[in-house]
Amino acid sequence: EDQVTQSPEALRLQEGESSSLNCSYTVSGLRGLFWYRQDPGKGPEFLFTLYSAGEEKEKERLKATLTKKESFLHITAPKPEDSATYLCAVAPSGYALNFGKGTSLLVTP
Amino acid sequence: NAGVTQTPKFRVLKTGQSMTLLCAQDMNHEYMYWYRQDPGMGLRLIHYSVGEGTTAKGEVPDGYNVSRLKKQNFLLGLESAAPSQTSVYFCAAQEGAYNEQFFGPGTRLTVL
Repeated sequence: EDQVTQSPEALRLQEGESSSLNCSYTVSGLRGLFWYRQDPGKGPEFLFTLYSAGEEKEKERLKATLTKKESFLHITAPKPEDSATYLCAVAPSGYALNFGKGTSLLVTP
Repeated sequence: NAGVTQTPKFRVLKTGQSMTLLCAQDMNHEYMYWYRQDPGMGLRLIHYSVGEGTTAKGEVPDGYNVSRLKKQNFLLGLESAAPSQTSVYFCAAQEGAYNEQFFGPGTRLTVL
């Protein structure tokens, strides 16, 4: 059965304190791994897609990496506005996504 | 471009009542999805459509029906609402297989 597990469930950082979020997955055939950001009361906002092991993508203070079993979302020198829930999802079939439960990130000044 | 819009934003129903949630997209995307999001459960797929006139069941389809009569619209129906259907519902649109999905702002539904 395809599974996506995100850790930690919640993370509290001081502004400027870099860290990483983990997404481990078991899927019969990976067709893409997706990272989304979700703010309270809003829909998920697309961040990155990774398709093959070794691939990396960056956007501002965020960098996503992919291995054969997991993905990391690295946050460098975070700011309070980076506070959100970060969701990871895999696409075993090419369309429907299997989502993890998310990591709730709080960055304090 | 509005992207993906959802109507209504909030709704309260009594057990047994029916309603339809509307999702509209202006991106001309082929694939559309309905998810529900519950605390501690993450996003779960209810139904999806890979093109106008097509629908398919997702992970949690029971108690819901869908229709995709026009490419830009995807409707989610609850024929007889139950308290277990209290949730936040998200619609998403996707250009093609393996592409990212774009989500709407959500509908918060409470069934009393």
